Amino acid sequence: DGGITQSPKYLFRKEGQNVTLSCEQNLNHDAMYWYRQDPGQGLRLIYYSQIVNDFQKGDIAEGYSVSREKKESFPLTVTSAQKNPTAFYLCASSTLLRDRNYEQYFGPGTRLTVT
Amino acid sequence: GENVEQHPSTLSVQEGDSAVIKCTYSDSASNYFPWYKQELGKRPQLIIDIRSNVGEKKDQRIAVTLNKTAKHFSLHITETQPEDSAVYFCAALFAGGTSYGKLTFGQGTILTVHP
Repeated sequence: DGGITQSPKYLFRKEGQNVTLSCEQNLNHDAMYWYRQDPGQGLRLIYYSQIVNDFQKGDIAEGYSVSREKKESFPLTVTSAQKNPTAFYLCASSTLLRDRNYEQYFGPGTRLTVT
Repeated sequence: GENVEQHPSTLSVQEGDSAVIKCTYSDSASNYFPWYKQELGKRPQLIIDIRSNVGEKKDQRIAVTLNKTAKHFSLHITETQPEDSAVYFCAALFAGGTSYGKLTFGQGTILTVHP
């Protein structure tokens, strides 16, 4: 299960607190992604990044922020502005499309519970 | 944007039977269609994929078919086994550029294989 890691596996926070989820990859992938997974729904894209110091909003970016200071790392901050933060968060990485390998590799996920 | 619909949401079969999961997509420019398997509490993992220049692809007990005209693709699992029990996600991507391609996921199908 190496390649892309997320920590912690479970995270509990009180409402109103910001929390940062870690994502690290050693696959030398340029692109990294954050998804949110809720029961009965598919994976929804929060943010993505193709290159260091650059990132773009996905479909549900409100209440989240990211940074990409290193190629290997793409942390996600869930802010107090996110109205329903309790969910399973998945990080993924891939090569760029020009390499013609379109597979996204997922981390093990972080289950965040906010009460 | 792309929209992917997946059916059924739950599927229950007896061991040894076949299982079929269907997806439709809206963007005719999409040209890459992966299927991911996610076991309970674990990360999604790619099990098979197909590109738009191919109509069918097989890998042992798993096959995927693609109908570009109708904009739908299906996952076929033959001789199902209890370890096939998981959530299956389809996805679609337009890989026409040289950088990032956004994967749009279906809602998922919970497959249960009864011994």
